[in-house]
Formats: sequence, C-alpha cells, structure tokens
Amino acid sequence: GENVEQHPSTLSVQEGDSAVIKCTYSDSASNYFPWYKQELGKRPQLIIDIRSNVGEKKDQRIAVTLNKTAKHFSLHITETQPEDSAVYFCAARVVDFGNEKLTFGTGTRLTIIP
Amino acid sequence: DTEVTQTPKHLVMGMTNKKSLKCEQHMGHRAMYWYKQKAKKPPELMFVYSYEKLSINESVPSRFSPECPNSSLLNLHLHALQPEDSALYLCASSLGWNEKLFFGSGTQLSVL
Repeated sequence: GENVEQHPSTLSVQEGDSAVIKCTYSDSASNYFPWYKQELGKRPQLIIDIRSNVGEKKDQRIAVTLNKTAKHFSLHITETQPEDSAVYFCAARVVDFGNEKLTFGTGTRLTIIP
Repeated sequence: DTEVTQTPKHLVMGMTNKKSLKCEQHMGHRAMYWYKQKAKKPPELMFVYSYEKLSINESVPSRFSPECPNSSLLNLHLHALQPEDSALYLCASSLGWNEKLFFGSGTQLSVL
C-alpha cells in the first residue's frame, strides 16, 4: 500500500518568514495530493490540493509543488501569521484494488513566533 | 449547506454500553467516510460508503458497525468498546471518487 512520510514533525518560524513542509510518497500511481490544516480541537480543513498532472499551484500565501519523478511534494507558506499555527497533514490518494484511498502523512506542528 | 455535521460532539461510555455516532451532509456528496484520529496522529480510515454501499472496511473490529440509511446520513454503532478505542471519530464526505474530502468536526469519544 501507499506510504507517506512527512518532515519535519515540528517547525517554528518567526512571524513574516516562510515555512516549508515536505512529503514523500511511495506509490507512483498516486494521483491527488491534498494538504489539511488542523487547529487544536478542530476538524482537518483542506487548504490546498494538487493533481498529478500539475507541477505547482498557488493560492495567496500558500503554494504546493509536486515532483512526480522524485515522488515528493511540498507545502510553502509565505509571510506567515500567528493564525497559521496548527498541525498540517499532507496526503496522497491512490487507487487500491479498485478503491481510492487517501493516506495521510504523520503531521507537522507549525508554530509561528510573534 | 456546505458542512458535514456530527453528533454528539463529546461522548463518554462504559465498556458495556451501546451508543451511536451520527453524521449528516446535505451537499449531495455520494461518498461518506469514517476516520479515527488519536491524539497527535493523522486520521486513519475505517470505512467508506459509496452510493450508500460499503466499499471499504479497513479491517475494523466488529464492535464498530457502520450504517448508511440514505445518501445524507452515516452512522457508526458502537458496542463493547475498549479503552484504547478512545479517540476523535471524524466523518467526512466527498462528491464522489476523485473529489475533495470534507471533514465534520468530530466526536471526541472516551471509553471508561
């Protein structure tokens, strides 16, 4: 099955600086890569996603890049703000015996230092 | 309505109790999911329903029993749970396969 590794597990960034979180996946058939933000005690919320036919996608301060050859994808947050503090999960979706399954990375706890 | 609604938000139950978790969405999504999330861990898939039929069971113990009465509702029936089953149970839905996943706010379950 699919295996998704995520690094770093914790990240502290000065407010206004950029944050980068990286994930690698094992199954080359994976075709969809979402990123979720989960604040303490709340639901995971989709913040950005990318499909395998695209190399980069940007939404305001958030961008995701995908390198299919190397099987890794990254989340970039620029001009970080205190409200960006949360746990971020990457995920990869693959078709497994006819069923699509989403496998999550282990999460990155991002802390923005005011 | 653009939300996935879960009830109850919190649940405490004994190991001999029977309880049910409920999930509802009115976005016309045809796939619904149950995930289990332990503290500081990612969500783990338990069940997937597609067009009201169970399509994935991730080898979940029989003390968890899912039910999909109609396209808008998803239940998770709990019986004879163990303390290690204490976790946040998340419901999610998507328009169909190959579509974005939206999570409910979860039920925080404690088994005593």
